[in-house]
Amino acid sequence: EAGVTQFPSHSVIEKGQTVTLRCDPISGHDNLYWYRRVMGKEIKFLLHFVKESKQDESGMPNNRFLAERTGGTYSTLKVQPAELEDSGVYFCASSRLQPGPLAKNIQYFGAGTRLSVL
Amino acid sequence: AQTVTQSQPEMSVQEAETVTLSCTYDTSESDYYLFWYKQPPSRQMILVIRQEAYKQQNATENRFSVNFQKAAKSFSLKISDSQLGDAAMYFCAYRSAQTGTASKLTFGTGTRLQVTL
Repeated sequence: EAGVTQFPSHSVIEKGQTVTLRCDPISGHDNLYWYRRVMGKEIKFLLHFVKESKQDESGMPNNRFLAERTGGTYSTLKVQPAELEDSGVYFCASSRLQPGPLAKNIQYFGAGTRLSVL
Repeated sequence: AQTVTQSQPEMSVQEAETVTLSCTYDTSESDYYLFWYKQPPSRQMILVIRQEAYKQQNATENRFSVNFQKAAKSFSLKISDSQLGDAAMYFCAYRSAQTGTASKLTFGTGTRLQVTL
């Protein structure tokens, strides 16, 4: 079974430019999460999709961030325009949507996309 | 809101020795889950071990075990017989058991573990 895949692994852009990050979840996983880790800080939740619907977007920092998940498969996270403080590692995670004890809904993570805004 | 604290930014252990990584958390909830994730350099973050708060017995997975102290809100990870492949960033995470069928994770800042020969 293929894991969670994120593209690109590293992106370097200038302030004001646009960047789009992509996440391919594990096949069959309806839950998809985006997280971000700013250098030296904790990993913070950004948002959660259930299939194509946004279940929780309470962690999105501002309206420069736009996440989509058309068709309930892969997801994209666009930052437009990018600012210096957007630099960090963006993680994607996915899990099955199933009833039962929550412990079974383990989130599987990708390797992350390292975004550097200069 | 829940918070997770990892007070050790870096730790070092010799191969074959034992190391303990600390994690404390703050919550007003009684039912929740705790996790340790491991991220090797430039690789996927993987789940090492998980603990359900309602279980008193400490979880174990081969060389990895936890010391879960619910009253103290402490959740440390012990790695026995450390191997070079254990070198990674380790994140402690908390998840509520109260919000539907899936919930976001709250992470600590991580502990970078070095394993030396």
